[in-house]
Amino acid sequence: QAVVTQEPSLTVSPGGTVTLTCGSSTGAVTSGHYPYWFQQKPGQAPRTLIYDITNKHSWTPARFSGSLLGGKAALTLSGAQSEDEADYYCHLVYSGVVVFGGGTKLTVL
Amino acid sequence: EVHLAESGGGLVQPGGSLRLSCAASGFTFSTYWMSWVRQAPGKGPEWVANIKEDGSEIHYVDSVKGRFTISRDNAKNSLYLQMNSLRVEDTAVYYCLGSGSCSDWGQGTLVTVSP
Repeated sequence: QAVVTQEPSLTVSPGGTVTLTCGSSTGAVTSGHYPYWFQQKPGQAPRTLIYDITNKHSWTPARFSGSLLGGKAALTLSGAQSEDEADYYCHLVYSGVVVFGGGTKLTVL
Repeated sequence: EVHLAESGGGLVQPGGSLRLSCAASGFTFSTYWMSWVRQAPGKGPEWVANIKEDGSEIHYVDSVKGRFTISRDNAKNSLYLQMNSLRVEDTAVYYCLGSGSCSDWGQGTLVTVSP
């Protein structure tokens, strides 16, 4: 089974920019992996921020954006705010089978 | 607005069974893949299974193959997960998850497998 890798932790300054990545053990992440990004705050259910690489939900703040970058899926946060401190997970699809990454703990400090 | 409501969780002994349900509303259920995802205490989410719009394609994570069965009833806008031969390691909050533009999460239902 494929392994999806994320940075265990990242720190960003308030107002700063940070990029989280989502890599695949099978090679470059492509549109065929349908990358999704999720945000989870303590005690809450996850919430989907981005689906299919770049698409946002109505509740996704404009400061979040998704892309493919250097063979990985990427989530960029531009203008970080304190409420963005959370765990972020991605998942990729492999011929119908879904694999989650281990998550990135983002600290805004 | 997409709304997903899971039910059916509870405390069960190892080897026991449970059937989870997910009631969907606010979108055309029959036109979206649906998934079950679980999250053990203190861990990240783990995908469990998914099912195509018409039920013609189904996938499972290896650890539940042969024990869990995902199904859907498009007439009732409902998703199900039949869980048999439950193990302690199946203990988690179970969520149903839509896909694409309807990829929202429910609040989850807690399944505890304990002697």
